This record gives sequence, C-alpha cells and structure tokens, in this order.
Amino acid sequence: DGGITQSPKYLFRKEGQNVTLSCEQNLNHDAMYWYRQDPGQGLRLIYYSQIVNDFQKGDIAEGYSVSREKKESFPLTVTSAQKNPTAFYLCASSIGAGGNGYTFGSGTRLTVV
Amino acid sequence: GENVEQHPSTLSVQEGDSAVIKCTYSDSASNYFPWYKQELGKRPQLIIDIRSNVGEKKDQRIAVTLNKTAKHFSLHITETQPEDSAVYFCAASRGGAAGNKLTFGGGTRVLVKP
Repeated sequence: DGGITQSPKYLFRKEGQNVTLSCEQNLNHDAMYWYRQDPGQGLRLIYYSQIVNDFQKGDIAEGYSVSREKKESFPLTVTSAQKNPTAFYLCASSIGAGGNGYTFGSGTRLTVV
Repeated sequence: GENVEQHPSTLSVQEGDSAVIKCTYSDSASNYFPWYKQELGKRPQLIIDIRSNVGEKKDQRIAVTLNKTAKHFSLHITETQPEDSAVYFCAASRGGAAGNKLTFGGGTRVLVKP
C-alpha cells in the first residue's frame, strides 16, 4: 500500500501505558520520519532518522522514543511521559538528503481511554 | 529553526473558480518547497513541489510560485472541481547535507461548492 505500512490503524492506550506504533517501508529509502497531527492543525515533527542506527529529535520529541535498527523499520513508542498522546500519527520516508518529497503511511490514530 | 505560516486556514470557492493558498517561511537557507493534499481520513499526497532555483512550476490545473526574496510561495488551483476539496499543506526544507526534514504549515481546508 504505497510502499510504507503503518500498524495498527487504530490504537487505544490506557493511562500510564507505553504503546509502540509500527512503520515499515520497502522503498529502500534512507530517511524516515514521525509526525503528529492534531485536529485542524499541521504536522509536527517528533523524530527523524537519516540513516540506520541514527536518529534525531524533532520539535516535539518529549514523551516519545524511537529506534532505527533496520533500514526498513522505524517504530515509535509513545511513553507514559507523553501527557496528551491522543492524535493521528503519520510515518513518512524519503530518499534522503537532497530535498525530496515524502511518501506517507496511512497513519495510526491513537486514543487514550 | 524553520517556521512556516500558511493562509488562509479555510477557503470556500465555487466550482470553476480559482483558489490560492499562500505560505511564508523564515529560514533563508530553505530550498525545497512541496505541497501536499490530504483528503479526509487519508494520508497526505505530494501534488507539486518547487526548488529555489525555479520561480514557477505548473502541472495541469495546479501551479506553484516562489519568491525567494520575500520568502513566500503560493499554490494556485484553476478551474476548481469538487474533488479538489481537501486539506492542503505547504512545507519547506533545506535539503542537502541537512537532510530532508520538512517543516509544515498549518494547513488550508479547501471546500469547492458545486
């Protein structure tokens, strides 16, 4: 489905619980990104990775963690330290440096119950 | 860091009319400016992009213009159709050695009335 797959599509989290969102791509892209989208707002960058085993914080990294052990995979963990995690999470990938457009996944909608 | 502002936040047009969305950016080193369209409940899709060495780019009914001096760029949609109804996002990045980290505007909800 467009070469980048996010799962699950919907996720419910209890207070104080950590949850992990999956993002897998088969596009052979070097760079991967996680964005958060709140209703009526733009996309805000959480974390990004330009190469395997390396990643950088974005604008709103607090309460989130990532890993990049494989080129194809960039999972995002929403920890209990994230006080307002209810949002739509979008993963994206791109060829890498040089300024190129993203390919987005279909997103995961996380709700705290 | 980069800051991208987008206006208007909502835009209602009559079918067949033109729509214009404007964005400004703060980082003069930004050199890549894509536009994304997001339909309700779906992923954003790249519709057009422009690089800083070009002032205008056109693809059928959509066009993007860039004014590097003023640090603003615009999306123009002509002969709007109901299927153009969506949220549109502009973005900017430095590209190059700094990678391709995009900073997005807040989005414009476009409604095309039949």
